[in-house]
Amino acid sequence: NAGVTQTPKFQVLKTGQSMTLQCAQDMNHEYMSWYRQDPGMGLRLIHYSVGAGITDQGEVPNGYNVSRSTTEDFPLRLLSAAPSQTSVYFCASSPTWTASSIHEQFFGPGTRLTVL
Amino acid sequence: AQSVAQPEDQVNVAEGNPLTVKCTYSVSGNPYLFWYVQYPNRGLQFLLKYITGDNLVKGSYGFEAEFNKSQTSFHLKKPSALVSDSALYFCAVRGDGGSTLGRLYFGRGTQLTVWP
Repeated sequence: NAGVTQTPKFQVLKTGQSMTLQCAQDMNHEYMSWYRQDPGMGLRLIHYSVGAGITDQGEVPNGYNVSRSTTEDFPLRLLSAAPSQTSVYFCASSPTWTASSIHEQFFGPGTRLTVL
Repeated sequence: AQSVAQPEDQVNVAEGNPLTVKCTYSVSGNPYLFWYVQYPNRGLQFLLKYITGDNLVKGSYGFEAEFNKSQTSFHLKKPSALVSDSALYFCAVRGDGGSTLGRLYFGRGTQLTVWP
């Protein structure tokens, strides 16, 4: 298993540009999520999905869109990049995420994004 | 509201000495707690979790964590530190219901440095 994969590893954008960060997992996990990591702030949840066709907002969703058309893929779209979106982005997955199932999340290697 | 606090930005310890990385939490329902480790330029790796049962949880790489309900703490411990334990450690708590059920809330992280 490749686990959770993310592309690209690095990206530089200009303000106003759009792009999609890719995330895929080959573990047949129902739950997938996107976080951003900023120095001194830990990880903050952007969006998450509990299954194909179901997405919801996290703590910091503004400026980002997601969709989940398949179990394997969970792309994150930046609609109009801003310097405040400069960060390291992590995708994670978990087998399930219900009130009665408590699983750890598996993280991808991250995408380092710089917006100029 | 759920939250996690890691009161120490940095912990320094000599190799061979015991180490403790502190975490306190706030949650209204049952606490589901996690520790993750992040090595430089890598994604997060799961160490251990507390769901219910024994207050001492054993995890990967010789780490363990002590759950204390009265003090709302979940401190990470290791009896004998290794230089290779040097990394960034995150404590996290799962959302306890409603709109927060799908979320994982992270602390700001504690940088552990083990000196040879």
